[in-house]
Amino acid sequence: SQQGEEDPQALSIQEGENATMNCSYKTSINNLQWYRQNSGRGLVHLILIRSNEREKHSGRLRVTLDTSKKSSSLLITASRAADTASYFCTSGSRLTFGEGTQLTVNP
Amino acid sequence: DVKVTQSSRYLVKRTGEKVFLECVQDMDHENMFWYRQDPGLGLRLIYFSYDVKMKEKGDIPEGYSVSREKKERFSLILESASTNQTSMYLCASSLGGVGRQETQYFGPGTRLLVL
Repeated sequence: SQQGEEDPQALSIQEGENATMNCSYKTSINNLQWYRQNSGRGLVHLILIRSNEREKHSGRLRVTLDTSKKSSSLLITASRAADTASYFCTSGSRLTFGEGTQLTVNP
Repeated sequence: DVKVTQSSRYLVKRTGEKVFLECVQDMDHENMFWYRQDPGLGLRLIYFSYDVKMKEKGDIPEGYSVSREKKERFSLILESASTNQTSMYLCASSLGGVGRQETQYFGPGTRLLVL
């Protein structure tokens, strides 16, 4: 049973545009994390937002958390071709992962 | 920086062979995890360990076993490989604390093909 389902499954944008991905989860959380995976590689941790936080920034990343709706969003501003990857959200004690959002940024 | 290494990037084995996938982390992490990743199914947890010689079943342990004799090394064993175990295998580690929701650090993955 996975904790964290991403939406949309795939997103294709032009370089310079913003990319928004959403995540929904089922049970109460202490924190929610976003990870990125380049094709055929391991996952890399991007950002963690705690349950008492509503918004967090890290460089071009902006994460929001709405615990009342059990949802989070990841915004990547001024996207670059190098941002092309799959993005996963997760929480829960065993950090299970869904299928992610496949982001393609076209140069 | 945390470094998690996996013994092979690509591996080809025959049905029935015993397969060992090795994972080593260099940051004295207590927790280690093995996942497999398949198209349409996401990452699924096979086994995890929160201490030396300790192991816990994940969501899909059938057909696998693990070994953690040293803190830095977590091995995944396929006792008798089958074609449905063809997959990408990802190892991860995290600092410690049973049940804590912590950042995981992933290895580069091993793509296993069972013929």
